[in-house]
Amino acid sequence: ELKVEQNPLFLSMQEGKNYTIYCNYSTTSDRLYWYRQDPGKSLESLFVLLSNGAVKQEGRLMASLDTKARLSTLHITAAVHDLSATYFCAVDPRSGGSNYKLTFGKGTLLTVNP
Amino acid sequence: DSGVTQTPKHLITATGQRVTLRCSPRSGDLSVYWYQQSLDQGLQFLIQYYNGEERAKGNILERFSAQQFPDLHSELNLSSLELGDSALYFCASSPRGGGGPADSGNTIYFGEGSWLTVV
Repeated sequence: ELKVEQNPLFLSMQEGKNYTIYCNYSTTSDRLYWYRQDPGKSLESLFVLLSNGAVKQEGRLMASLDTKARLSTLHITAAVHDLSATYFCAVDPRSGGSNYKLTFGKGTLLTVNP
Repeated sequence: DSGVTQTPKHLITATGQRVTLRCSPRSGDLSVYWYQQSLDQGLQFLIQYYNGEERAKGNILERFSAQQFPDLHSELNLSSLELGDSALYFCASSPRGGGGPADSGNTIYFGEGSWLTVV
């Protein structure tokens, strides 16, 4: 059974600081997704990482994928309050094709304080 | 706005009852996915339909069933409801079933969800 572990589960940051969220998974996969969820809202797609070494950046967020280590990271640079949300990583257990039968981590609740 | 529409947004019902959740996928998307989000289980994949046929099954209870209609909208039926079924049910859609190289780079797009409270 595929397991996806995120840490930390709770992260309280000060504005302007940097931090990294980690996503470890237990089986071979070359497809990893990061989503953002605001309270009571839908999941917003942030990044799709499709190969070993993939790195994508959008604003203050940068995601990377190391398929050999089965690890993805979401790095936050100079955090601002608007980044406060829950961040999920999700792994597609099939390589070479995808059913989007995603297994999600438990999520990281990020709070950015002034 | 992802383009995926779910109704109802909120629903309160009693134990033992049956409810139907409805999902309209993004225009042109052939695949529909149902996910359940609860405090204790997190986000779990329930079931996928592609162009009217069941494509993949996850942790879906036997009391739950789904279908996708010719117009591609989908319904998730939840019966004999229990308190533990209280959750946020998401529908998502994608252009294809995700089984081939053409899906590389794609993701699935989630609707706003249907909040189900069983009392």
